[in-house]
Amino acid sequence: GAVVSQHPSRVICKSGTSVKIECRSLDFQATTMFWYRQFPKKSLMLMATSNEGSKATYEQGVEKDKFLINHASLTLSTLTVTSAHPEDSSFYICSASYRFLGDEQYFGPGTRLTVT
Amino acid sequence: AQSVTQPDIHITVSEGASLELRCNYSYGATPYLFWYVQSPGQGLQLLLKYFSGDTLVQGIKGFEAEFKRSQSSFNLRKPSVHWSDAAEYFCAVGASYNTDKLIFGTGTRLQVFP
Repeated sequence: GAVVSQHPSRVICKSGTSVKIECRSLDFQATTMFWYRQFPKKSLMLMATSNEGSKATYEQGVEKDKFLINHASLTLSTLTVTSAHPEDSSFYICSASYRFLGDEQYFGPGTRLTVT
Repeated sequence: AQSVTQPDIHITVSEGASLELRCNYSYGATPYLFWYVQSPGQGLQLLLKYFSGDTLVQGIKGFEAEFKRSQSSFNLRKPSVHWSDAAEYFCAVGASYNTDKLIFGTGTRLQVFP
């Protein structure tokens, strides 16, 4: 089946620094990638949708300058949390879809970000 | 507004018992409904989905779900739970023909006792 990986699985960074999270589709080319944020005891919240080679479309309330998304190739998307603060600590999950796989979203295992 | 409600935060069942996880949705158009399972260290995995047709859908791992339009529900069921089913389960609703813009419920954590 379609596999999506994320790196790193866990990251701890200091307040004020930036951190990059990678999302890769390992065995298919993702026409669209999605980034979600998951709070404890909460549902997944869609942050943004990105298509390869295009600017990401951010959901209302998500700061695009804070959460930089790059979808440089059909197999790689990155989320950079800039000037991280403790309130950015969360579980970030990406997913990828490919129209010839029926547009189903395949999810990565997630990245736990802790900002100290 | 579009929303998904999973009323049960945590459910505990004995292995071999039957299971039903509840999901209610609020959606203006024809809903496209999904159930996902999330195990620690693994990505969300699609169990089943409903777009149209037969309101009882079969999924992987022995799960099934029934769409009831009159009750705005899409409950997930399994006749006999296995210890490996312990995980977090999410119901989601999507728009039109594809899975863009999924709206997730808050999840139900399933614990299975031997």
